[in-house]
Amino acid sequence: DQQVKQNSPSLSVQEGRISILNCDYTNSMFDYFLWYKKYPAEGPTFLISISSIKDKNEDGRFTVFLNKSAKHLSLHIVPSQPGDSAVYFCAASGDTGNQFYFGTGTSLTVIP
Amino acid sequence: DVKVTQSSRYLVKRTGEKVFLECVQDMDHENMFWYRQDPGLGLRLIYFSYDVKMKEKGDIPEGYSVSREKKERFSLILESASTNQTSMYLCASSSLAGGRDTQYFGPGTRLTVL
Repeated sequence: DQQVKQNSPSLSVQEGRISILNCDYTNSMFDYFLWYKKYPAEGPTFLISISSIKDKNEDGRFTVFLNKSAKHLSLHIVPSQPGDSAVYFCAASGDTGNQFYFGTGTSLTVIP
Repeated sequence: DVKVTQSSRYLVKRTGEKVFLECVQDMDHENMFWYRQDPGLGLRLIYFSYDVKMKEKGDIPEGYSVSREKKERFSLILESASTNQTSMYLCASSSLAGGRDTQYFGPGTRLTVL
C-alpha cells in the first residue's frame, strides 16, 4: 500500500511562473520529509527537506510547506526555469530510522 | 564531493541468469539501500543495510538477495532473473550521524531481462 502519494503524474508550467508539486502521506508517524529531483538516466538528487517541527522551509527558489493535520506537503518553485524540468519525488521517514518511503513522482515540464 | 557509483549503466540478461549489481560509495556511510524504479510506482525499497554483514528486507525483497562484506560496497543479487525484474535499479547511501540523513543516489542501472 502506497504510504506516500503524488497524485499528479505530470505538470506543465510557463517559465517564470510558479510550479507547485503536491504530496500526500497516510502514516501519521512520518516526521521527516524530503524532495528529490531526477533527470533522465541519472539518480535522484536531494533538493530540500523539512522536519515536522516546522511548517515551511525555504532554499532559494524552492520552498517546501508541510501541513501535518492534512498530511500534505508541497514544493513551490518560484520562478520556474527550463532547467527545473525533471521528475520530482517526495519521500517521508518516521521514527523507524533511515528508511524512506517515496512517492510515485511528478514530471515537471517548464516551457520556455 | 559525494559519490555513489554503480557497476553498470545498462545491462541485458536472459531469464534464469544470475545477476550481480554492484554499488560503491566513498563517503564512509553506514547505511546503504537498493531501490527499483518503475513507471507509476516510484521508488520501492528492495533491501537495505545498516552495517557490514547486516541486511534488512525492504518492501519488495522477493527474488533478490544482497551482500555487504565491506562498508563501502553493497551488492544486489538476482538469483534467477525473470522478465518482471526488468527495471531501473538505484543504489543509495546515507550516514547515521544525527539520526536521519539525506540519501545520496548512484546514477542507476537499467536492467533488461529477456
